[in-house]
This record gives sequence, C-alpha cells and structure tokens, in this order.
Amino acid sequence: GDSVTQMEGPVTLSEEACLTINCTYTATGYPSLFWYVQYPGEGLQLLLKATKADDKGSNKGFEATYRKETTSFHLEKGSVQVSDSAVYFCALSDPAGTALIFGKGTTLSVSS
Amino acid sequence: ETGVTQSPTHLIKTRGQQVTLRCSSQSGHNTVSWYQQALGQGPQFIFQYYREEENGRGNFPPRFSGLQFPNYSSELNVNALELDDSALYLCASSPQAGQEGYVKNIQYFGAGTRLSVL
Repeated sequence: GDSVTQMEGPVTLSEEACLTINCTYTATGYPSLFWYVQYPGEGLQLLLKATKADDKGSNKGFEATYRKETTSFHLEKGSVQVSDSAVYFCALSDPAGTALIFGKGTTLSVSS
Repeated sequence: ETGVTQSPTHLIKTRGQQVTLRCSSQSGHNTVSWYQQALGQGPQFIFQYYREEENGRGNFPPRFSGLQFPNYSSELNVNALELDDSALYLCASSPQAGQEGYVKNIQYFGAGTRLSVL
C-alpha cells in the first residue's frame, strides 16, 4: 500500500543553520503531498502542500518540491530559528482521496 | 474564522468504559476525518464523514464509531476501552470544492483530545 518514509530524528541544529528533512513516498497514482508541523502539546498545523509533480510548496521560509522521478518531497529551510523546534510530518493523500497517510515524524531541535 | 475545535482537551478513563469525543469543523467545511496518534508516532486514519455518512475507514475495529451532524460537527465514540487506546485523537476538516482554502485532499486539524486509559 501507499506509504511515507521520513528520515529518523532527532535533528539537532544551531540557530541559522540550514535544514533538510528527507521524505520519500510510495504511491499508486498521483497523490497530493503535505508537510505538517506539531509543536509540543499541540495538534497538527499545515505547513505547506503540493498537488502535482514539480510543484513547489512554501511557507514561513520552508520549501519542498514534489519530485515524481525520485518520489521525494524533502523539506528545506535556509536558516532555522529556535521557534522552529517541533515535530515535522510528511504526508500524502491515499488513492481514494479520503485519508492522509503520515510518516513517523522527525523531531527538530534548534538551539541558540 | 474559527478553526477546528475539539473537546474535551484531556480525558481519563478506565479500561472497559466508553468515551465520546467531539469536534466542530472549520466554518463551512463539510468533511470531517478522525485520526489516532500514539505517542511518538504519526497519526493513523480512523474514518471520515461526508454529509453525515461514513466515507472511508482505516484499520480500526467496530468499537470505534462516529457520527456527523447536519451542522457538520462530529463525534467519535469508542466502546470497551483498552489500554492501547491511550493516544491523542485528532479531528480534521476539509473545505468544499470552490470554498476558500480548497486544495484537493487538504485537511485542517484541531488541537486534539488526549485520552488516557488506566
């Protein structure tokens, strides 16, 4: 079945460092792809999205490009802040278009 | 515009009891989905409701059931609680095609209800 694989964390960075969190997927058809962020003790917030190949989603300095040829949707940010410390989830839409299928999450910790 | 709201925020139950969790969808969103997130894991899809009908279901037993009301709000009911049901339960709503914020398959989440089963 469809699935998402994220790099294992935790990822520990200093403020202003560059961030890449790898996400690859297995899917039938052409799913929509998402990154969600979860701050401690909170629910999920949509960070960015892409609905077709070569789309680039961006928000709050984060970017991810839908790469069909490599089945990837890596999350990047050029300069992280302490406030970016959170758990990041990559997700895709299932073939029926009902469920989101999530990766296990990657914890990011940024220190000043 | 009010986002997805869930109640209660925390709940403690004992094994064998029944629980009802509630969700109000974002204004005008007619589709509601429920997820279970165990500690340290990604959310797992339980089911989705569209126009008061179940529209898809994940790999959860029948003791997990739901309802959607005419105002699009929803309930998740879990009977015969087990220790492994301890988790964060997330509700998500989706806008209708043509509505502001619509993107195919997009879901907006609430803050969740943390259920502890003792």
